[in-house]
Amino acid sequence: DAMVIQNPRYQVTQFGKPVTLSCSQTLNHNVMYWYQQKSSQAPKLLFHYYDKDFNNEADTPDNFQSRRPNTSFCFLDIRSPGLGDAAMYLCATSRDIGQGVSEQFFGPGTRLTVL
Amino acid sequence: AQKITQTQPGMFVQEKEAVTLDCTYDTSDQSYGLFWYKQPSSGEMIFLIYQGSYDEQNATEGRYSLNFQKARKSANLVISASQLGDSAMYFCAMRSVRTGGGNKLTFGTGTQLKVEL
Repeated sequence: DAMVIQNPRYQVTQFGKPVTLSCSQTLNHNVMYWYQQKSSQAPKLLFHYYDKDFNNEADTPDNFQSRRPNTSFCFLDIRSPGLGDAAMYLCATSRDIGQGVSEQFFGPGTRLTVL
Repeated sequence: AQKITQTQPGMFVQEKEAVTLDCTYDTSDQSYGLFWYKQPSSGEMIFLIYQGSYDEQNATEGRYSLNFQKARKSANLVISASQLGDSAMYFCAMRSVRTGGGNKLTFGTGTQLKVEL
């Protein structure tokens, strides 16, 4: 089945130790998104790729970076994780068709713990 | 700026009953889209239903329907014949088109639904 896959599902890192979260998709969608969802809160968009074009949200900290080497894969890099970065990180994809529905398909998320 | 308000942090419903989850929104856009997503405890966000601002009829998808009242800026989700598997967090979201392409979803704070026997 076509889907959005995130690895790992659970990630534990140490304060200040760089960490990379992975997302892949078999939907061949041109847009990929990264959301941060802290406990009991709504998901918050960090950035997205429209094809190869990177689009950062204005309030996303510099500590968060992303790479998209090809259509299928997208990575979230946290350069120096702090305790406040502990959260669920959700990857999503959509096929941008202008003003159509363009619903976003989400992966299962990676729960990040920072010790 | 867009804003989504979900005023019900938690709801209970008995199995087989219908339940309405409230969502109000604020936007200055003439064209917008409203989504409902379900998030089980496993964490994955599952798309349920979509309503476009110019759609004249309320959206329906199986047991899900969206009660769209544009003048009131509300987009309530109605789940008919609730099942135990409907127990989850439900998010209302609004789409805005981003500069550079793609869509940004602005989510409400969610409603935790619990279906009881």
